[in-house]
Amino acid sequence: EDQVTQSPEALRLQEGESSSLNCSYTVSGLRGLFWYRQDPGKGPEFLFTLYSAGEEKEKERLKATLTKKESFLHITAPKPEDSATYLCAVFSGGYNKLIFGAGTRLAVHP
Amino acid sequence: DAGVIQSPRHEVTEMGQEVTLRCKPISGHNSLFWYRQTMMRGLELLIYFNNNVPIDDSGMPEDRFSAKMPNASFSTLKIQPSEPRDSAVYFCASSLRSNQPQHFGDGTRLSIL
Repeated sequence: EDQVTQSPEALRLQEGESSSLNCSYTVSGLRGLFWYRQDPGKGPEFLFTLYSAGEEKEKERLKATLTKKESFLHITAPKPEDSATYLCAVFSGGYNKLIFGAGTRLAVHP
Repeated sequence: DAGVIQSPRHEVTEMGQEVTLRCKPISGHNSLFWYRQTMMRGLELLIYFNNNVPIDDSGMPEDRFSAKMPNASFSTLKIQPSEPRDSAVYFCASSLRSNQPQHFGDGTRLSIL
């Protein structure tokens, strides 16, 4: 069965303290891995798509990487405005749909 | 450019009433998705459409739920009759194609009393 697991469930960082979020997956026929950011009361906001192992994408303080079994979202020198829930999703070729993980709640404190 | 627009943003109604949620996808997007988000189950896909045609409704919980897409710029999700366990945030999303990045609306927070 296709599955996406994110860790940790919650992460508290001090401003400037870099860290990484993990997304491990088992999927039949990966056709893309997606990272989203969700703020309270809002819909998920698209951040990155990764399609093949070794691929990397960057946007401001965020960098996403992909291997054959997992993806990491690296946050460098985070700021309080980076506080949000970060969702990982894989597009399953077997089920032809996005499967979401439960998310990591990130809190960055000044 | 306007994003995905959902209405209403909040809906509170009593058990047994009919509820209709509305969605306007991003112009030019060919795929439309309805999701439900709860603390217990996270984001779950209910149904998706390609070119206005329902492709996969395996996530629709039961016959009380129905969805339509009469044209490329409008979709509805209907619950009749509603039950307290239907309380959740319902999101609509659209994408150029089904495996392309999906863009979400801000959701409808539904409370069934």
